[in-house]
Amino acid sequence: DAKTTQPPSMDCAEGRAANLPCNHSTISGNEYVYWYRQIHSQGPQYIIHGLKNNETNEMASLIITEDRKSSTLILPHATLRDTAVYYCIVRALANTDKLIFGTGTRLQVFP
Amino acid sequence: DSGVTQTPKHLITATGQRVTLRCSPRSGDLSVYWYQQSLDQGLQFLIQYYNGEERAKGNILERFSAQQFPDLHSELNLSSLELGDSALYFCASSAGLAGENEQFFGPGTRLTVL
Repeated sequence: DAKTTQPPSMDCAEGRAANLPCNHSTISGNEYVYWYRQIHSQGPQYIIHGLKNNETNEMASLIITEDRKSSTLILPHATLRDTAVYYCIVRALANTDKLIFGTGTRLQVFP
Repeated sequence: DSGVTQTPKHLITATGQRVTLRCSPRSGDLSVYWYQQSLDQGLQFLIQYYNGEERAKGNILERFSAQQFPDLHSELNLSSLELGDSALYFCASSAGLAGENEQFFGPGTRLTVL
């Protein structure tokens, strides 16, 4: 699976959009981009995933560049409860769904 | 609530001992995964079972073993425990073997080895 690079930490004001970048310059054509988050020491939580088109769900939007070498997770109106570590994971749909976590981005939402 | 349950929530034991962590997947999910999260190693994939069979292995020590039972619950056995085994152990489940399935994580078991 391709490796990802994320900034170690980011801040965001409550109510503003949080834009979390992820670089995956070695991504292959069959690899998807997944985002999970972990609030404090809870179990990670799935947010969204995509292959090449932009995706949106009730939690967030995922913007993938045309060359697929980077992506941005957007939380449109961040709240204090969005403070967490966000993991960008790239994986192929092979014979296993295992997730390889990097170090993620620690997002701090402040009042 | 993800629908994945793990017991116990906390476990404190001594070096050299053996413990068993238990996981019940979401109803209908056939795949179970185990992950370890320690301060120095981050979140690491250990092992995956699908419908009772081992399907993928990560950085799982030989002292660790797992199995998935016919009712699909899974157990992770840790033996000859060392101080470095202190960590959060997460179980996750998903519907299938491979594909765009999202994984649902349990609340974790915090293991402390003294």
